[in-house]
Amino acid sequence: AQKITQTQPGMFVQEKEAVTLDCTYDTSDPSYGLFWYKQPSSGEMIFLIYQGSYDQQNATEGRYSLNFQKARKSANLVISASQLGDSAMYFCVMKNWESGNQFYFGTGTSLTVIP
Amino acid sequence: DVKVTQSSRYLVKRTGEKVFLECVQDMDHENMFWYRQDPGLGLRLIYFSYDVKMKEKGDIPEGYSVSREKKERFSLILESASTNQTSMYLCASSLAGGFTGELFFGEGSRLTVL
Repeated sequence: AQKITQTQPGMFVQEKEAVTLDCTYDTSDPSYGLFWYKQPSSGEMIFLIYQGSYDQQNATEGRYSLNFQKARKSANLVISASQLGDSAMYFCVMKNWESGNQFYFGTGTSLTVIP
Repeated sequence: DVKVTQSSRYLVKRTGEKVFLECVQDMDHENMFWYRQDPGLGLRLIYFSYDVKMKEKGDIPEGYSVSREKKERFSLILESASTNQTSMYLCASSLAGGFTGELFFGEGSRLTVL
């Protein structure tokens, strides 16, 4: 069965510091993609970053980077230079070739940035 | 600007009422999804549709039905709302198949059933 695990229900980080949000996944399909979404208190889900299983390099998008360790089946999100506006829920999501149309969600990590 | 639009941000309904949640996307996506989000439970898939008039049950379809008469529109129907259906409902769309292509979400609909 496909599975996404986020073990940190809540995290705190000081403004301007870096923070890592953990995500592990479980799939036997060699072809898969990993996504991270941000959900502020307003409720909308914002796509942050994508990593494909065949990508050789870790994905980066501005202050977001994905620490992809394929052998460990982990896809941790790193946010550098945290800002107050980064306070939100963060979801790790997987899609694979077998499932085609379905996405698998972790339970999320609530990040609070402290001034 | 690509968009998924949900008809209502906030709804308050009474037990037993029929509730329609509408979702429209302008990206010509084949796939559309309805999720329910509750604290501590993350997002749970109610139904998804991969083509017009096609649908598949997700993890928690009980008490819900869906309709997709046009490619751009996917409706979630609560035939007889109950208090345990009070939740945040998120609609999303994506391109079909493969393992790339992210989900695009609407702003969500917060439903309260009294």
